[in-house]
Amino acid sequence: GAVVSQHPSRVICKSGTSVKIECRSLDFQATTMFWYRQFPKQSLMLMATSNEGSKATYEQGVEKDKFLINHASLTLSTLTVTSAHPEDSSFYICSARRGPGTEAFFGQGTRLTVV
Amino acid sequence: DAKTTQPPSMDCAEGRAANLPCNHSTISGNEYVYWYRQIHSQGPQYIIHGLKNNETNEMASLIITEDRKSSTLILPHATLRDTAVYYCIVRAQTGANNLFFGTGTRLTVIP
Repeated sequence: GAVVSQHPSRVICKSGTSVKIECRSLDFQATTMFWYRQFPKQSLMLMATSNEGSKATYEQGVEKDKFLINHASLTLSTLTVTSAHPEDSSFYICSARRGPGTEAFFGQGTRLTVV
Repeated sequence: DAKTTQPPSMDCAEGRAANLPCNHSTISGNEYVYWYRQIHSQGPQYIIHGLKNNETNEMASLIITEDRKSSTLILPHATLRDTAVYYCIVRAQTGANNLFFGTGTRLTVIP
């Protein structure tokens, strides 16, 4: 299968600071990338969908000004958690697909801890 | 996208076949059945998908009933490394194509 890489795999930051998470498709061009969040013992919750070159579409209840998504190229999307607070601590996972109707491949996830 | 129902947990003896059921009684004609699994603290891993015919790959087999209202993922010889949460998702091939994850089945392979 295709490879999607996330960086960093884990990060600890202070409350009030911003954190950027990168998602790269290593061996294919991803027209669409998805960002998920997963709290302990819960399933993945879709946060937003981003298409290369256009604004991300956010799911209901997800603040677009807090979770900034940039999908500037066909191989890179970034999620920036701005002014992070302890309740933003979670496992953030991205996925990418080549195009409509193709299967999505997932990154290994980023564990964010806000202290 | 149609909803799916899976048992919350299952056990399987190492070396035996693991059969994971999924109910998707409201599936539409253009929706595929996808299976992913998530090993602890990792991102989900694609396993297999199908529309109406049974499918097999190097990881698993997917059996879809004739009415497409349910399916079974089969891991033919479960190993300890197959311990994970398995998600059954139905998704159309057109439109937004988001994958919405339910609660999945926690499979524990026992030595």
